[in-house]
Amino acid sequence: DAKTTQPPSMDCAEGRAANLPCNHSTISGNEYVYWYRQIHSQGPQYIIHGLKNNETNEMASLIITEDRKSSTLILPHATLRDTAVYYCIVRAAVYTSGTYKYIFGTGTRLKVLA
Amino acid sequence: DSGVTQTPKHLITATGQRVTLRCSPRSGDLSVYWYQQSLDQGLQFLIQYYNGEERAKGNILERFSAQQFPDLHSELNLSSLELGDSALYFCASSVKGAGDTQYFGPGTRLTVL
Repeated sequence: DAKTTQPPSMDCAEGRAANLPCNHSTISGNEYVYWYRQIHSQGPQYIIHGLKNNETNEMASLIITEDRKSSTLILPHATLRDTAVYYCIVRAAVYTSGTYKYIFGTGTRLKVLA
Repeated sequence: DSGVTQTPKHLITATGQRVTLRCSPRSGDLSVYWYQQSLDQGLQFLIQYYNGEERAKGNILERFSAQQFPDLHSELNLSSLELGDSALYFCASSVKGAGDTQYFGPGTRLTVL
């Protein structure tokens, strides 16, 4: 199973862009990269996902390198409410059952500073 | 609000006891996933059900079992509880069972004393 590596913590000034890196050097060709965040002990919140191309939605942008070995989640204008643990996840196929599973790493604790 | 509901929010019980956690998926979602999050382990996938059938198993102990009912709600049963079972238990749901985004519920915090 592909694993992800993220820095344990980062700080970002309010109003600035937060760039959260993730390494997934063993990712396979059909494995997607997902990003979730968890505020305090609430349920993880879906942010964005992608396979090869860069993606953008109302919450964030996802930049995936051409070799797919790493990606960066960008929160364009961080606010205090974006303080959370951000998880970069590889969605791995479970071939025996035709389904997929999420492999969660330890995440990055992002603190947005006023 | 993801649309996934879990009850109860908190549960305190003693070692050796049995508890049941309940999850209602988002309207229209056929798949339910259970995860455990403890302080030293992070989020661990336990089991997945799709339209009433078990689809995938993760790191689920034999003392734990789950089922999905015809109305698609799911229950996670934890028995012979140990102190180490204290954790947050999350349920997630997705439309189908393969390849679509999972949406998580607010979780149940289980404390075993």
